[in-house]
Amino acid sequence: DAGVIQSPRHEVTEMGQEVTLRCKPISGHNSLFWYRQTMMRGLELLIYFNNNVPIDDSGMPEDRFSAKMPNASFSTLKIQPSEPRDSAVYFCASSFPGDTEAFFGQGTRLTVV
Amino acid sequence: AQTVTQSQPEMSVQEAETVTLSCTYDTSESNYYLFWYKQPPSRQMILVIRQEAYKQQNATENRFSVNFQKAAKSFSLKISDSQLGDTAMYFCAFMKHRAAGNKLTFGGGTRVLVKP
Repeated sequence: DAGVIQSPRHEVTEMGQEVTLRCKPISGHNSLFWYRQTMMRGLELLIYFNNNVPIDDSGMPEDRFSAKMPNASFSTLKIQPSEPRDSAVYFCASSFPGDTEAFFGQGTRLTVV
Repeated sequence: AQTVTQSQPEMSVQEAETVTLSCTYDTSESNYYLFWYKQPPSRQMILVIRQEAYKQQNATENRFSVNFQKAAKSFSLKISDSQLGDTAMYFCAFMKHRAAGNKLTFGGGTRVLVKP
């Protein structure tokens, strides 16, 4: 398996624009997580899905952020409108039912100018 | 809510030497999992080692071992025979046992530099 695949790897956008980050989890994994990494706040969980259903979105910063998982093999994290403070590395991770190990993608580095 | 604290922002070690990274956590849970993840410059998060709280025996993975002190809520990582490829950020993480979705709470990280 190719692992968790995220796209794009880098994104530079202007303030106010919509940004969509994409994630393909490992086949057979039923849990999917979106984490954000910043210097100030470290790694923090934004939202996670179990069997395509959002379970906990308490980490989503505000209404500008939304996440979807339309099927078991695809998820998106959207920011609209984007702001400079959204600049961070966004990780997607997935895990297999009953397993504690989370497999991470290589992250998307988002820069909002 | 759980918190994870890594008190050492940065550590350096000579190649082939041993380095120990500290981690403390706070939880009211009695059963849980603890992890150390490695993040090299490539940015990829890689699981190094995990420990189940109900197991008294400390986990070991090749050159990596942990010292788990449940009563003290301490979970340190020892890297033996350090190699240049061990240079990375290391994150301690906590997971509630059997929590839906296996979400992780991370510490702030320790940067390890292995010097030749």
